[in-house]
Amino acid sequence: DTGVSQNPRHKITKRGQNVTFRCDPISEHNRLYWYRQTLGQGPEFLTYFQNEAQLEKSRLLSDRFSAERPKGSFSTLEIQRTEQGDSAMYLCASSTRGISGRGGNEQFFGPGTRLTVL
Amino acid sequence: SQQGEEDPQALSIQEGENATMNCSYKTSINNLQWYRQNSGRGLVHLILIRSNEREKHSGRLRVTLDTSKKSSSLLITASRAADTASYFCATDLPQGGSEKLVFGKGTKLTVNP
Repeated sequence: DTGVSQNPRHKITKRGQNVTFRCDPISEHNRLYWYRQTLGQGPEFLTYFQNEAQLEKSRLLSDRFSAERPKGSFSTLEIQRTEQGDSAMYLCASSTRGISGRGGNEQFFGPGTRLTVL
Repeated sequence: SQQGEEDPQALSIQEGENATMNCSYKTSINNLQWYRQNSGRGLVHLILIRSNEREKHSGRLRVTLDTSKKSSSLLITASRAADTASYFCATDLPQGGSEKLVFGKGTKLTVNP
């Protein structure tokens, strides 16, 4: 079990540039989540995939944000025309539930990508 | 918006003492979980308690849940310096609702050696 991995770990960019982050979930996990965390706050939900289908998006996910999970494995989060307010830690998590849907939604988090927009 | 609020925001104790953190939330839940986050790192799942459970133990951790008060507490007994971290409660909605977790702002715990 290699855990959830995220790349890059750190990204510094200038305002207006586009950035893309990658998340590789735990291999047998069909659910993948993106969260954003700013200093002193808890993570805030951005979006969620079950396999390759994007099933939920937060209102925090403006038009400049897009996420994909093309083959139901890794996922990418792209931010276009970055703004200073986008500076945050972007966390990816994965989970799996039983077929019945019962069971807790324990999520396994990656180390995050810290984005700094200058 | 964040559903949970942890209390206190920060807690400083000596090694060997117990640490208690509280979490309050606003809406009905399916489960409540506690996570730990070391400085600048990802979150680690600690324990999950279901809405029909009142207390759960895992090693030095004890979690209680009072759904009538919409509150939970996390007790860490015999604390160690390695327990220094931020602790977050997270809730998920009843079956059929959103799959997302809603986190509180966290309690920053410092355990002094």
